[in-house]
This record gives sequence, structure tokens and C-alpha cells, in this order.
Amino acid sequence: GENVEQHPSTLSVQEGDSAVIKCTYSDSASNYFPWYKQELGKRPQLIIDIRSNVGEKKDQRIAVTLNKTAKHFSLHITETQPEDSAVYFCAAILISGGYQKVTFGIGTKLQVIP
Amino acid sequence: NAGVTQTPKFQVLKTGQSMTLQCAQDMNHNSMYWYRQDPGMGLRLIYYSASEGTTDKGEVPNGYNVSRLNKREFSLRLESAAPSQTSVYFCASSDPGRSSEKLFFGSGTQLSVL
Repeated sequence: GENVEQHPSTLSVQEGDSAVIKCTYSDSASNYFPWYKQELGKRPQLIIDIRSNVGEKKDQRIAVTLNKTAKHFSLHITETQPEDSAVYFCAAILISGGYQKVTFGIGTKLQVIP
Repeated sequence: NAGVTQTPKFQVLKTGQSMTLQCAQDMNHNSMYWYRQDPGMGLRLIYYSASEGTTDKGEVPNGYNVSRLNKREFSLRLESAAPSQTSVYFCASSDPGRSSEKLFFGSGTQLSVL
């Protein structure tokens, strides 16, 4: 089955700096890669996603890159703010027709220091 | 449009007690999921239902049962709770191949088994 490794497990950055979180996956059939943000005591919420036919996607201060050959994808947050502090999860998903197999990484706790 | 609603938000059980976690979604999604979240282990899939009338085991199904009551509702039952089942439980839904492959999560249930 699919295996997703996520690094680092914790990350501290100064406000205004950039943060990068990396994930690797094992199943080359996976074709959808979302990132979720979970604030303390809250539910995970989708912040950005990318499909396997796209190499990069950007939404304001966040971006995701995908390297299908190497089977890794990364989340980039620029100009970090204290409200970016949260746990971030990557996921590798195989979508085939009406079937969806989801595998999450273990999460990265991001702390933005004011 | 409430999204995914799960109850209760908090529950304390004694070892051996039983309980059912309820989940309902109003997005007309076909697929529903139950995850547990433990520190350092990310989100692990307990059971899922790809469509009404079907259920399948996920990564950690032991000690749990599920019922897909109808398209809207997917319940998780602990027949004889154990301390190892102390966790935060999340229900989620999606509609891969149709309206949305994105996972929408409920607000979570914090369960403690003493």
C-alpha cells in the first residue's frame, strides 16, 4: 500500500521567514496531493492541493510543488505570520472513478515566532 | 449547509463500556470516513464507506464497527471500550469522481477511556 513520509515533524521559524515542509510517497499511481492545516483543537482544513498533471500551484503566500518522478511534493509558506502556527498534514490520494484511497503523513508542527 | 456534523464533542468512558459516535453530512457525498488522531501518528483510517450500502476496513479497524445508515449518516461503534481507544476521532466525507475529491472533516470527538 501507499506510504507517506513527512519531514520535519516540528519546524520553528521567525515571523516573515519562509517555511518548507516535504513529503514523499511510494505509490506512483497516487494522483492527488492535498495539504491540510489543523489549528489546536480544530478540525483539519484543506489549504491547497495539486493534481498529478501539475508541477506547481500557488495561492497567495502558500505554494505546493510536485515532482512525480522523484515521488515527492512540498508545501512552501512565504512571509510567515503567527496565525500560520498549526500542524500541517500532507496526503497522497489515489482517485479512480468513485474510489478514493487516502494516506496521510504524520504531520508537521509549525511554530512562527513573532 | 452545515457540512459534516459529528456528535458528541467529548466523551469519557470506563473500560468495557460501549458507545456510538454519530456523523452526518449534508453535501450529498457518496464517501464517508472515520479517522482517529493520536499524537505523533497523524490521521489513521479506521473504516470507510465508498458509497451507501458498503463499508470497508481501513488501517486500524480492530475494536470498532461501523454502519452506513443512509447516504447522509455513518456511525462508529465501540462495543467494549479499551484505554488504547483514547483518541480524537474525526468523521470526514468526500465525493471522488463526482462533485469533490476534497475531504471535509467534522469537528472531532475527544474520547477518553479510563
